[in-house]
Amino acid sequence: SSELTQDPAVSVALGQTVRITCQGDSLRIYSANWYQQKPGQAPILVIYYENIRPSEIPARFSGSSSGDTASLTITGAQAEDEADYYCASRDSSGNHVLFGGGTKVTVL
Amino acid sequence: QITLKESGPTLVKPTQTLTLTCTFSGFSLSTSGMGVGWIRQPPGKALEWLALILWDDDKRYSPSLKSRLTITKDTSKDQVVLTLTNLDPVDTATYYCAHSPTVAGLPSTWGLGTLVTVAS
Repeated sequence: SSELTQDPAVSVALGQTVRITCQGDSLRIYSANWYQQKPGQAPILVIYYENIRPSEIPARFSGSSSGDTASLTITGAQAEDEADYYCASRDSSGNHVLFGGGTKVTVL
Repeated sequence: QITLKESGPTLVKPTQTLTLTCTFSGFSLSTSGMGVGWIRQPPGKALEWLALILWDDDKRYSPSLKSRLTITKDTSKDQVVLTLTNLDPVDTATYYCAHSPTVAGLPSTWGLGTLVTVAS
């Protein structure tokens, strides 16, 4: 398919764990990246190659994948983690990039 | 340190052509595996991938916009140029360029973006 599907919004209590999912047929073949975007700012990469965290990203961010679903988990969510999160991967042809519709994470 | 900066007009009229330039530093587009892509985001909406150019001049376009997009590179200037023809108000968006360190084309480091408004 040519789509990556994300839940529009999730909420998490401060210090608790939240999982954000991204579903698409191409994820059976290709790994996903995850991006965090705060209002008025450009996205930043938080996970690449499904589960690798850039050095500057806190260890509470982790990624995983199973079948057609990739997941981003925030363990011990902080107030500063409130943002939109987007997954991205290749489409089934491998020649184009797809973005998910984004998930708004609210930290209560 | 990799940085990218988008430049171009902030206001364009419908039916006109948009030309955006991405000026980057910290990597070379003549290095194997490197790429620069463009992504846009209409106000309040999701990210949309537009195009990618790789070090070997391989060019890839969003299937839905392919007929309107052109991406080129000037390795000597460390610049990538995107053109989008026949603009419509729905093309109003923040346009980002981003570094891609692999042939997969997924963005790594992003520019700050530039808001382009299409209106008469």
